[in-house]
Amino acid sequence: ELKVEQNPLFLSMQEGKNYTIYCNYSTTSDRLYWYRQDPGKSLESLFVLLSNGAVKQEGRLMASLDTKARLSTLHITAAVHDLSATYFCAALSGAGSYQLTFGKGTKLSVIP
Amino acid sequence: NAGVTQTPKFRILKIGQSMTLQCAQDMNHNYMYWYRQDPGMGLKLIYYSVGAGITDKGEVPNGYNVSRSTTEDFPLRLELAAPSQTSVYFCASSYSLGELFFGEGSRLTVL
Repeated sequence: ELKVEQNPLFLSMQEGKNYTIYCNYSTTSDRLYWYRQDPGKSLESLFVLLSNGAVKQEGRLMASLDTKARLSTLHITAAVHDLSATYFCAALSGAGSYQLTFGKGTKLSVIP
Repeated sequence: NAGVTQTPKFRILKIGQSMTLQCAQDMNHNYMYWYRQDPGMGLKLIYYSVGAGITDKGEVPNGYNVSRSTTEDFPLRLELAAPSQTSVYFCASSYSLGELFFGEGSRLTVL
């Protein structure tokens, strides 16, 4: 059974600082997804990582995937208040699977 | 472009009542999903469908049923509601295994 663990679960960071959210998954997975959720809102897709070594960037967020280490990272550069949200990673449960397993989410608060 | 539309947005049920959460997408996606989100627990997959007429159980299917008679619609039926089904329910769709597009969510309270 695939397990997806994120850390940290809570992150308070100052504006302008850099930080990384880690997403570990327990078994082989073909692809890795990152989503953002604002309080009381739906989930918004950020990145889909399809292969080992994949790196994607959008604004101040950069995601990478290391399938050998079963690890994905979401790096935040020069944080701004608008990035405050909960970030989820999700992994596909193995070859031939259609099921995404989500981590518990990382609640990010960016403070002035 | 509506995307994924869920109704109702809010509902209060009494224990033992039944109801259907509606989900419709207009993106011609073949894959559709129902998740529930409990505080601090991420999302748990209830049921999913890879096409009309095909459905399968996810991680937490007990107490729920689904059907997929058309590509567009994927309703979730709750039978004999229990307090443990108090949650926020999200419907999502995708083209194959691409990014999921989520609806706005349905907040259900069972008293």
